[in-house]
Amino acid sequence: DSGVTQTPKHLITATGQRVTLRCSPRSGDLSVYWYQQSLDQGLQFLIQYYNGEERAKGNILERFSAQQFPDLHSELNLSSLELGDSALYFCASARRGNSYNEQFFGPGTRLTVL
Amino acid sequence: GENVEQHPSTLSVQEGDSAVIKCTYSDSASNYFPWYKQELGKRPQLIIDIRSNVGEKKDQRIAVTLNKTAKHFSLHITETQPEDSAVYFCAAIGSSNTGKLIFGQGTTLQVKP
Repeated sequence: DSGVTQTPKHLITATGQRVTLRCSPRSGDLSVYWYQQSLDQGLQFLIQYYNGEERAKGNILERFSAQQFPDLHSELNLSSLELGDSALYFCASARRGNSYNEQFFGPGTRLTVL
Repeated sequence: GENVEQHPSTLSVQEGDSAVIKCTYSDSASNYFPWYKQELGKRPQLIIDIRSNVGEKKDQRIAVTLNKTAKHFSLHITETQPEDSAVYFCAAIGSSNTGKLIFGQGTTLQVKP
């Protein structure tokens, strides 16, 4: 157990719908990262938040958005879902927001879009 | 842009043999290189990491080497055991000082008993 929690574990929804994935970082960690893992794309960095503010963006679609709240938990919102959005979504947390910080991954949310 | 190439994509060895996975990175300013192990359906877990000011690091049966000039780094697992079977990912953190990980494509390691 890494100390990072993610809910829900599984999510099945239809195309065009909107979902919210939630992540709670380890106690004391200020940085939250979101990654998407699909079969053909591997692990792709989506977005990073540090102490409530966006720190870095990867190949995140405009249909996707995220935020980090004052209690440091983070939510990833996926809208206008397409079949290709089906993937495993991981969040990871780290003590700080820069290099040399081990990132601890949560158990992931498996999203299936039908 | 930032890119990490990982080879091979699959690797099958006999128990007790060594396994080597290689990665190359594109951003010469990358300064931190972690390796993650992911078992089926589980989260990635850090197994070893190396900083750019170090050429080699060992932890029991696992070692990582880094060649900054050639921009490549490798994972070495000795005396492999069936429980080493998993997908291994290399990663690099670039110059943006954000800590975002750029992952390689992964290597599926199978250790045959």
